[in-house]
Amino acid sequence: AQSVTQLDSHVSVSEGTPVLLRCNYSSSYSPSLFWYVQHPNKGLQLLLKYTSAATLVKGINGFEAEFKKSETSFHLTKPSAHMSDAAEYFCVVSGWSGNTGKLIFGQGTTLQVKP
Amino acid sequence: DTAVSQTPKYLVTQMGNDKSIKCEQNLGHDTMYWYKQDSKKFLKIMFSYNNKELIINETVPNRFSPKSPDKAHLNLHINSLELGDSAVYFCASSQAGTGPTEQFFGPGTRLTVL
Repeated sequence: AQSVTQLDSHVSVSEGTPVLLRCNYSSSYSPSLFWYVQHPNKGLQLLLKYTSAATLVKGINGFEAEFKKSETSFHLTKPSAHMSDAAEYFCVVSGWSGNTGKLIFGQGTTLQVKP
Repeated sequence: DTAVSQTPKYLVTQMGNDKSIKCEQNLGHDTMYWYKQDSKKFLKIMFSYNNKELIINETVPNRFSPKSPDKAHLNLHINSLELGDSAVYFCASSQAGTGPTEQFFGPGTRLTVL
């Protein structure tokens, strides 16, 4: 079975400082991992995805994540936070049922960006 | 050009009523999903349809009945609404392949049961 754990429910950073959102996963096979972002009262948007290619994955808006199998982690980083980055972030692992993937979401991390 | 659209965006209703939420995607995908996001923002899959066939049916009360008239539409009908059904419901779509693929989400429908 697959699962993800987001280690921080709330992260607060100052604008212009680095962002680190932590995620650990559990999977019985090589996982596909995603980070989605949800801005207030909006739907979910894919930031980036890992599907067994390069372990360092670059996404939109300057975000990137590194897949570390030895640590079962997939942390999300950004060198410099912007006010518009304030949102809810979800680490997601893809389960598999037949030929249809179901997404298994972490609990979410609220990113607050202070001016 | 909305890729995945849902109607209505907000739905306020009384306990015991029956209501439907509609979802449409114009991405040409063959798989569609319904997710429920509770008040703590936790998201969980409810159903998945592939080419109009039910693929995933998580432990959802049978008051919830998805219907897929064609590949581009997946509607969710809820009978005898309860207070605990209050949540945001997201529709999503993807193209089934040989492995897990990205899912595209709609804007959500906020259901409030009074």
